[in-house]
Formats: sequence, structure tokens, C-alpha cells
Amino acid sequence: EVQLVESGGGLVQPGGSLRLSCAASGFTFSSYAMHWVRQAPGKGLEYFSVISSNGGGTYYANSVKGRFTISRDNSKNTLYLQMGSLRAEDTAVYYCATGTPGLSAFDIWGQGTMVTVSS
Amino acid sequence: DIQMTQSPSSLSASVGDRVTITCRASQSISRYLNWYQQMPGKAPKLLIYGASSLQSGVPSRFSGSVSGTDFTLTIRSLQPEDFATYYCQQTHSTPLTFGGGTKVEIK
Repeated sequence: EVQLVESGGGLVQPGGSLRLSCAASGFTFSSYAMHWVRQAPGKGLEYFSVISSNGGGTYYANSVKGRFTISRDNSKNTLYLQMGSLRAEDTAVYYCATGTPGLSAFDIWGQGTMVTVSS
Repeated sequence: DIQMTQSPSSLSASVGDRVTITCRASQSISRYLNWYQQMPGKAPKLLIYGASSLQSGVPSRFSGSVSGTDFTLTIRSLQPEDFATYYCQQTHSTPLTFGGGTKVEIK
């Protein structure tokens, strides 16, 4: 079964750090670019980061640039998001997602993991 | 960055109604436009890719069309399980931006 499973979310104080993981199974992880999308409570979807299949290329939205780092370990079929200098506005459900090559769409999503930044 | 303007932000409809949701891109994106359905507390689900191609397993009452930079998602006959929030997304260029969403509610 094709699957993405996020973990690592939780409650963290402003200014703190957290690392999210996204474990992939059922497909050739090393062939897929991987993306992070988040959704603040009651709000829409925000696309904020991507990493190429070999990890050589990354992108960050301005909202997280300099604070978040995306990485991957293709030997472990796992995507990571290291989050630092967290702010209240980073409170959201964080999804990892990817798309079948050639589809140019996200047909594989994780279930999401909640990150709450609060004192 | 390419901006995606989705309208309406919400609508009320009845079972059996025809529903239309529109997304306008701030510049040409060819046919790199996808539609997703999101149920409360769940991850988005791909409905339409490439502006008009139906994702496998998605009912044929869903369809997509394009005219220039205007994209439309149509639900031909709304079913109870279709009450959800719908998002467009452009995949022409990074960042792969989403529209603001359309919540379809029961009238």
C-alpha cells in the first residue's frame, strides 16, 4: 500500500524547535520529490517547502525561510522537517505530500501531524 | 509567485444541484491546475489533475475545464458525500500555490 505517515508533532513553546518525520512506503521514495504543506486551524492550505528526489534542491516559502530545514534520507525512506524559532503563527497541521512522476499533482498525502506553538 | 484566486469562498447547495467553483491564475499556467477535496479533519484528496483529467476512482460527476487562466470545477449532481472544502492548486511553477478554498455546505 502506498502510504505516507507523519510523526513528531506536539506542543512547543514559542522560540522552540521540533522535528517532523514523514515515513514513506509502497513506492520508490528515492524517485519522488517531496513536499510539505500546512494548514492553520480553520484556514486554507499553505505550500511552503519541497526537496528534490536526491535532496540536492530545496525551496522554502518566505514564511519559513531561515527557520525550517527540509531534508530526506532515501536509505530510510523518510522525509524530515526541522523547525526552529517557532512562532504562534506556525501552529498548524503539517502534511507531507508527493505526486506520481508525470502527474504534476499530489496524489499521495500523509494523514497530517498537529504542531501547536503556545506558552 | 503565481496567485490563485478561488471563488466563491463558500456556497450553500442542495443534493442534486449543479455546483461550479472557479479558480483564476494571476498568469498563464497552461493546464497545470489541480482540484482537491478535503473533508473535515482529513488530508486533501486529488480529484482532477491537468485541469480536466479525472483521478482514478473519482466519480464522473466531477469535471474540470479551462478557459485561458480561468479554471472551473463542476459537480454535476451534488451528493451528500460531496459536502466538503475544495481547493485548486497550480503546479506550473514553484511555489505550488493553492487557492483559498471553497466550502460547500448543505442548504
